[in-house]
Amino acid sequence: DAGVTQSPTHLIKTRGQQVTLRCSPKSGHDTVSWYQQALGQGPQFIFQYYEEEERQRGNFPDRFSGHQFPNYSSELNVNALLLGDSALYLCASSLTWNREDDEQYFGPGTRLTVT
Amino acid sequence: AQTVTQSQPEMSVQEAETVTLSCTYDTSESNYYLFWYKQPPSRQMILVIRQEAYKQQNATENRFSVNFQKAAKSFSLKISDSQLGDTAMYFCAFGTDKLIFGTGTRLQVFP
Repeated sequence: DAGVTQSPTHLIKTRGQQVTLRCSPKSGHDTVSWYQQALGQGPQFIFQYYEEEERQRGNFPDRFSGHQFPNYSSELNVNALLLGDSALYLCASSLTWNREDDEQYFGPGTRLTVT
Repeated sequence: AQTVTQSQPEMSVQEAETVTLSCTYDTSESNYYLFWYKQPPSRQMILVIRQEAYKQQNATENRFSVNFQKAAKSFSLKISDSQLGDTAMYFCAFGTDKLIFGTGTRLQVFP
């Protein structure tokens, strides 16, 4: 049973560019959440997708957008990259949306470096 | 807004000894979950243990146990018989349907 997978593993971009990160949820999961983990910090919630719609959003600017596909996989897009966007981006999937007891399974993350 | 605070940036323990990691949180919610996640150098977040707020009994998973004090909003993790493989960052997290993490505690287990 494949767990959560993310691609690419590492990415280097220049300020002002755009980036797309990808996530495939664990088999059987239909909800995907994205987190940003800056160096030395805990992950911060970006947004959550269920049934191809953004259901919740954390305190991140509109430069951060996402998408969920019918097969439940998801993309995170970041426009107009800033140096401060350099971080580990984690994807997590769960069985379904809006359940307090639902465990989130994390992928290995994508390390984004903005120069 | 919910907040999670981990006041110990770094901890160290000798192999086979016991160590306790601290976590406090703030919320006005009545129904929630609390989690401890482990993040080794491989970066993969792994769930260690979770506690349901409405359960008074402290959760236990093998060598890992928690001390959950709801009134004090405290949720500490005790690791017994520490092993070298326990070396990692440990994050406390508050959860409803999304997770709010603390800043983490780096645990080093020495032989």
